[in-house]
Amino acid sequence: EDQVTQSPEALRLQEGESSSLNCSYTVSGLRGLFWYRQDPGKGPEFLFTLYSAGEEKEKERLKATLTKKESFLHITAPKPEDSATYLCAVTGGSTLGRLYFGRGTQLTVWP
Amino acid sequence: EAGVTQFPSHSVIEKGQTVTLRCDPISGHDNLYWYRRVMGKEIKFLLHFVKESKQDESGMPNNRFLAERTGGTYSTLKVQPAELEDSGVYFCASSQDRFGYTFGSGTRLTVV
Repeated sequence: EDQVTQSPEALRLQEGESSSLNCSYTVSGLRGLFWYRQDPGKGPEFLFTLYSAGEEKEKERLKATLTKKESFLHITAPKPEDSATYLCAVTGGSTLGRLYFGRGTQLTVWP
Repeated sequence: EAGVTQFPSHSVIEKGQTVTLRCDPISGHDNLYWYRRVMGKEIKFLLHFVKESKQDESGMPNNRFLAERTGGTYSTLKVQPAELEDSGVYFCASSQDRFGYTFGSGTRLTVV
C-alpha cells in the first residue's frame, strides 16, 4: 500500500534557526506530492504541490523540494507564526485524487 | 470565495446513537472527499464523490457509515450506530480537479 513517513515527529526551533522537514514516500506512479500546514482546530491549508523529481517551489520562508523517494520542506529563518503541524501527502497510480497522508511534523518556533 | 464549511464543529454522542455530519463544498467543485483522523494516526481517506456519484468508497470502515451527496451539492456522512472507535476528526475537502483540494475545518466527533 502507498505510504508516507514524516520526520521528525516534532521540531522545536529558535526564531531564525533554519531547518528541514522530511517526507519519505512509496507510491506507484506518483502524480503529485502535497505539503499542507495545519493549525490547531483547523483543516489542512494548502502550501505546495510537486509533480516530478527535481522540482522546487518556494513561498515566503518555505521551500519544498522533491526527489524520487522523498521531499523536503526547508524553513529559512522561521518566525513564531510558522508554528504549526506540517503535513505531507501523495497521490498517484490507480487511486488518483485520493491522498495518502503522513502523520505530520509539529513545528514550534520560539522567540 | 467561501471555503468548505462543515458542521457541527464538535459533536459528543453516546455509543449506539446516530450522528450526521454535513459538508458544504466550494460552489462549482464537482469533487468532494471525506477524510478522518483518529487520534495518534494519520489522516485517512474515506470516500470520493464526483457530483452526486460515489467514485471511490473503498476507505469507508464498515456499513455503519453512510455518505450521500444531494444533487451534487452538499454532502452528509451518517454514522449509525456509533461506536467508540469512530471518535476522531472528520474532514471534508472539495476540488475542481483531482489536485486543488480545499479542506474544511473538520468535525470533531467524540463517542462516549
